[in-house]
Amino acid sequence: GQQVQQSPASLVLQEGENAELQCNFSSTATRLQWFYQHPGGRLVSLFYNPSGTKHTGRLTSTTVTNERRSSLHISSSQTTDSGTYFCAIDYNQGKLIFGQGTKLSIKP
Amino acid sequence: EAAVTQSPRSKVAVTGGKVTLSCHQTNNHDYMYWYRQDTGHGLRLIHYSYVADSTEKGDIPDGYKASRPSQENFSLILELASLSQTAVYFCASSDSGQIYAEQFFGPGTRLTVL
Repeated sequence: GQQVQQSPASLVLQEGENAELQCNFSSTATRLQWFYQHPGGRLVSLFYNPSGTKHTGRLTSTTVTNERRSSLHISSSQTTDSGTYFCAIDYNQGKLIFGQGTKLSIKP
Repeated sequence: EAAVTQSPRSKVAVTGGKVTLSCHQTNNHDYMYWYRQDTGHGLRLIHYSYVADSTEKGDIPDGYKASRPSQENFSLILELASLSQTAVYFCASSDSGQIYAEQFFGPGTRLTVL
């Protein structure tokens, strides 16, 4: 079936290091969104990025549509970046399918 | 930015009881969605709606009903709550189900069925 694979499942870094999160999908995506979930559960949309590169602050999302992959890069990580990051894909069905998430822990 | 609110924010229900979760959005969006999230997992789509008075089944609709009485409101109904329905439930809305439509999420409702 149509899948969304995220890697790594978990990542532990020291504050100041860069983080690279990956999302791979199984067929053409018409919609792709990256989310951050706070440790307390609140879900925040980071990027709506079905193709190309987008930046906001220390975050960069790059989606290469024909290679069926997207990445989320966090530069100079901070302890407040800790949480779970989700990639979600729409395979032209009008609904999002979520990956399992990457749990990021930034140590001071 | 779209405003999506959910009520209640948390609820404890008994097995076999009826539970209604409510969602309200104020940005005139056509599409609304209900997801559930189990601990340590991503979100899965239960029901969605693209117009008032109409709902569609998502990927895991069994045991759930949905109601869209108006464009602003979308409810999720558990007629006979079960232990396996303990989860966090998120509502979302988007301007359109077509491409380039970002989804905006509510804060979630934590449901515990005992």
